[in-house]
Amino acid sequence: AQTVTQSQPEMSVQEAETVTLSCTYDTSENNYYLFWYKQPPSRQMILVIRQEAYKQQNATENRFSVNFQKAAKSFSLKISDSQLGDTAMYFCAFMKHKSGGSNYKLTFGKGTLLTVNP
Amino acid sequence: NAGVTQTPKFQVLKTGQSMTLQCAQDMNHNSMYWYRQDPGMGLRLIYYSASEGTTDKGEVPNGYNVSRLNKREFSLRLESAAPSQTSVYFCASSEGFSGGNEQFFGPGTRLTVL
Repeated sequence: AQTVTQSQPEMSVQEAETVTLSCTYDTSENNYYLFWYKQPPSRQMILVIRQEAYKQQNATENRFSVNFQKAAKSFSLKISDSQLGDTAMYFCAFMKHKSGGSNYKLTFGKGTLLTVNP
Repeated sequence: NAGVTQTPKFQVLKTGQSMTLQCAQDMNHNSMYWYRQDPGMGLRLIYYSASEGTTDKGEVPNGYNVSRLNKREFSLRLESAAPSQTSVYFCASSEGFSGGNEQFFGPGTRLTVL
């Protein structure tokens, strides 16, 4: 079974600064996907960024980027130029790749609460 | 496009009561999921439906049943609610037939069992 570990229950950052959230995972799979989801106080889960394990290039989405280290099974999220609206719980998640199948279950970490201070 | 909708948004039950949480999606997705979110535990999968007509247990299925009514709708039933089922419940959907599908989440139902 896969496990996802987020070792930082809470973090804070000043507006406009950069912050990195950590995530490690354990799997015997070679092909899989990793995600970062954001959950603001509204409770709505929103996908921030996705990484395919077979791609060496780190994914980026505007101010959000990841540092994917496959050998170390590490998948950290970097938020640049932090904004007040980035305040949220951030969840790292793992999904096995199952070719030909139709179920793609997510395994979530316990989350990191990020607070952006003005 | 409403995305994924859930009803009700809030519910309070007494121990032993039953209820059904409703979920619908309008994105023509094949796969649907029910999660529960507890403080300090992240989201855990209760049941999922890979495609219309199929359902499977997830990580924490005990005390729950599901029905995939049609492609759009996936309900979660608590037959005899227990205080341990106090949680926030999320429904999600995804296309389901290719790797790395994004799961789209509903707004959640906050359930309290007294």
